[in-house]
Amino acid sequence: EVQLVESGGGLVQPGGSLRLSCVASGFTFSRFDMHWVRQVTGRRLEWVSAIGTAGDTYYPGSVKGRFTISRENAKNSLFLQMNSLRAEDTAVYYCARGLGIRDWGQGTLVTVSS
Amino acid sequence: DIQMTQSPSSLSASVGDRVTITCRASQDINNYLAWFQQKPGKAPKSLIYAASSLQSGVPSKFSGSGSGTDFTLTISSLQPEDFATYYCQQYNSYPLTFGGGTKVEIK
Repeated sequence: EVQLVESGGGLVQPGGSLRLSCVASGFTFSRFDMHWVRQVTGRRLEWVSAIGTAGDTYYPGSVKGRFTISRENAKNSLFLQMNSLRAEDTAVYYCARGLGIRDWGQGTLVTVSS
Repeated sequence: DIQMTQSPSSLSASVGDRVTITCRASQDINNYLAWFQQKPGKAPKSLIYAASSLQSGVPSKFSGSGSGTDFTLTISSLQPEDFATYYCQQYNSYPLTFGGGTKVEIK
């Protein structure tokens, strides 16, 4: 059974930093593209970042230069380093597997507020 | 960026109804289109990839069709567990983008 378990969310002040983690199991982690997707309560899903099997990374303009996605295949782990956080980054952040997303984690809530 | 437009944004339907949701891309995305179901307070669930291929374990009452810019998700006979919000997503090119969602409610 595929499992994706996120952690690291919490309350942070504007301008602060947070690092999210996602531990994967049930599949060969190194063989899949991985993503972070976020969702403000009641609003549409927003793709945040992706990392390919070769370590290539992709970001939308809204987070480029502030967020960094990385992976550690030996530990079946995906990370999202978030710097210079803004109020509009407040959302539930999901870890997801595959380019045509096959599986989702349960999400971790990030709240940016003073 | 590729814009994804879903319609309708919401609909009311009865158990047993056939329901169709449409998704339009602002440019050709070939068949790189996925559909997801999301219930309140839960993570999305993947239903369809490559426009028409069912994810493992997804019941056959769900079907997808289309290519290029116009796509549809059909639920052949709506059941109580199908009342949820449905999203489309293109993965033809980065940045990946989602539709605004279609909320399926009980009539």
